[in-house]
Amino acid sequence: GAVVSQHPSRVICKSGTSVKIECRSLDFQATTMFWYRQFPKQSLMLMATSNEGSKATYEQGVEKDKFLINHASLTLSTLTVTSAHPEDSSFYICSARDTGAEQYFGPGTRLTVT
Amino acid sequence: DAKTTQPNSMESNEEEPVHLPCNHSTISGTDYIHWYRQLPSQGPEYVIHGLTSNVNNRMASLAIAEDRKSSTLILHRATLRDAAVYYCIVKTVLCLTNSKLTFGKGITLSVRP
Repeated sequence: GAVVSQHPSRVICKSGTSVKIECRSLDFQATTMFWYRQFPKQSLMLMATSNEGSKATYEQGVEKDKFLINHASLTLSTLTVTSAHPEDSSFYICSARDTGAEQYFGPGTRLTVT
Repeated sequence: DAKTTQPNSMESNEEEPVHLPCNHSTISGTDYIHWYRQLPSQGPEYVIHGLTSNVNNRMASLAIAEDRKSSTLILHRATLRDAAVYYCIVKTVLCLTNSKLTFGKGITLSVRP
């Protein structure tokens, strides 16, 4: 089946620094990638949708200048959390979709900002 | 997308069938019913989806009510590895590039040995 990887799986960074999370579709071309955030004991919240080669579409309340999304190729999307603060600590999950309707999820990245 | 309602949690015994209900009374005629599950500290995993007819795959079965206002995910023999949060999602597919998933709280399934 379709495989999506994320890197890193866990990251701890200091407040004020930026961190980049990569999402890769390993055996298919992802025309669309989605980024979600999940706080402890809560459900996934969609942050943004990105189509390859175009700007990401952000959900209401998500700061596009803080969460930079790049989808430069059909197999790679990156999420950069700029000037991270402790409240940005969360589980970040990406998903990818090819030309079909199903989304395939990555294993998630646990970000801790100290 | 139509709203879904699920119980908060359910318990099951290992190797017994599990029926996970979902209400979606505002579903429209072209909405698909999807089920995903999320194991602890992992990303969600696709389980099954359907439109009108009941569906079976290697993981589960999906029973859809005739009026489509509710559905039931059926795990035929629960294992300890099936303990997870199960999300029922009704997705309006306007066009593929805009097809996003909206997750509710899901139902937490616990499996007793």
